[in-house]
Amino acid sequence: QVHLQESGPGLVRPSQTLSLTCNVSGGSIYSGGSYWTWIRQRPGKGLEWIGYIYHNGNTHYNPSLKSRLAISVDTSKNVFSLSLSSVTAEDTAVYYCARDTYNNGWYYFDYWGQGIMVTVSS
Amino acid sequence: QLTQSPSSLAASVGDRVTITCRASHDISTFLGWYQQKPGKAPKILIYAASTLHSGVPSRFSGSGSGTDFTLTISSLQPEDFATYFCQQLNTYPRIFGQGTKVEI
Repeated sequence: QVHLQESGPGLVRPSQTLSLTCNVSGGSIYSGGSYWTWIRQRPGKGLEWIGYIYHNGNTHYNPSLKSRLAISVDTSKNVFSLSLSSVTAEDTAVYYCARDTYNNGWYYFDYWGQGIMVTVSS
Repeated sequence: QLTQSPSSLAASVGDRVTITCRASHDISTFLGWYQQKPGKAPKILIYAASTLHSGVPSRFSGSGSGTDFTLTISSLQPEDFATYFCQQLNTYPRIFGQGTKVEI
């Protein structure tokens, strides 16, 4: 059973960089067909896909965030991380990490972290 | 873009509930459905438009292809009161629908 756990600061100042880490346990980040993903949910709103990283370092980002976004992976620690620069109040959200899995020709998000609330405020 | 309807609905235990999701272009059957309860992460219910994920009760079912999809709960149970999201899974970015809140 794969378990994901987000960690990082719950408060970030405007214009600073939001940095979060997702620890993957119960499975290897090297798992084939596993796209390690960040999603966020603004208060009272829907889900927004942020981007993914594959174990070889390949990434794909949401165009709306691409200029401020970096996702990295540390395979030695079985973690992947999110860095979002120049944050504003619009980046206040619950941030989830999840696995986008490719299985028998189909994709779906099968494992999710519990989520971490990040508030952007001075 | 994915458009869900309705945005919310009120139902009773035992009711049959249907939620629809319309895609702005053909996504074949690359669609998933998720359930989210307050303060919790979403959970996968259905992928490939109609395949029930392991452990999901059989009262949940999905159908559709192309641009029009449906999630049906055949007999609503107390634990089913939640928000439901559809998600397209054939391209990036992985767009989610805006959600349907199922209330008592």
